[in-house]
Amino acid sequence: EAGVAQSPRYKIIEKRQSVAFWCNPISGHATLYWYQQILGQGPKLLIQFQNNGVVDDSQLPKDRFSAERLKGVDSTLKIQPAKLEDSAVYLCASSYTGSTEAFFGQGTRLTVV
Amino acid sequence: EDQVTQSPEALRLQEGESSSLNCSYTVSGLRGLFWYRQDPGKGPEFLFTLYSAGEEKEKERLKATLTKKESFLHITAPKPEDSATYLCAVPVDSGYALNFGKGTSLLVTP
Repeated sequence: EAGVAQSPRYKIIEKRQSVAFWCNPISGHATLYWYQQILGQGPKLLIQFQNNGVVDDSQLPKDRFSAERLKGVDSTLKIQPAKLEDSAVYLCASSYTGSTEAFFGQGTRLTVV
Repeated sequence: EDQVTQSPEALRLQEGESSSLNCSYTVSGLRGLFWYRQDPGKGPEFLFTLYSAGEEKEKERLKATLTKKESFLHITAPKPEDSATYLCAVPVDSGYALNFGKGTSLLVTP
């Protein structure tokens, strides 16, 4: 079974630039999560999708972050404009509906300079 | 207020030296306590889910236990390949996403 795919693996941008991350979940997983993991911290939930609808985006900084999952499969997370404090690993995870057992991708390491 | 607190932050063991990692939680109506392993440059990898006090689960050299206030991850006779960060998590209020602790970074030296 293929795992959660994310791209790119690494990205370096200057502050105030924009960046986008892509995620393809495990086939059949209707629930998709984006987490932010700052160095030395545990992952923090940014947004949760159920199919193509948003379930929880309470911790998403909506003035600069946006995410979509238009066809209920792939998802894109965008940051515009980026700040230095956005430097982190962005993890995508997916699960079956109603399950807390989530499977994570390898993440995208973002460095904002 | 943090729902999940892990200790110690870092732990260094000699190969074969058994020890335990702690995860304390402050949630009512626990709907699962999760342990994940994270290697450098990779996403968290699921290890165990525990649902009720007294429950235990084992996988190779790892055993997870749960009480009403905390969970322990016991590592018996660890090997260098057990070196990783171990994360503990509980579900967020009324949802299925996870609220993670900061993790324990384990280093096992030969």
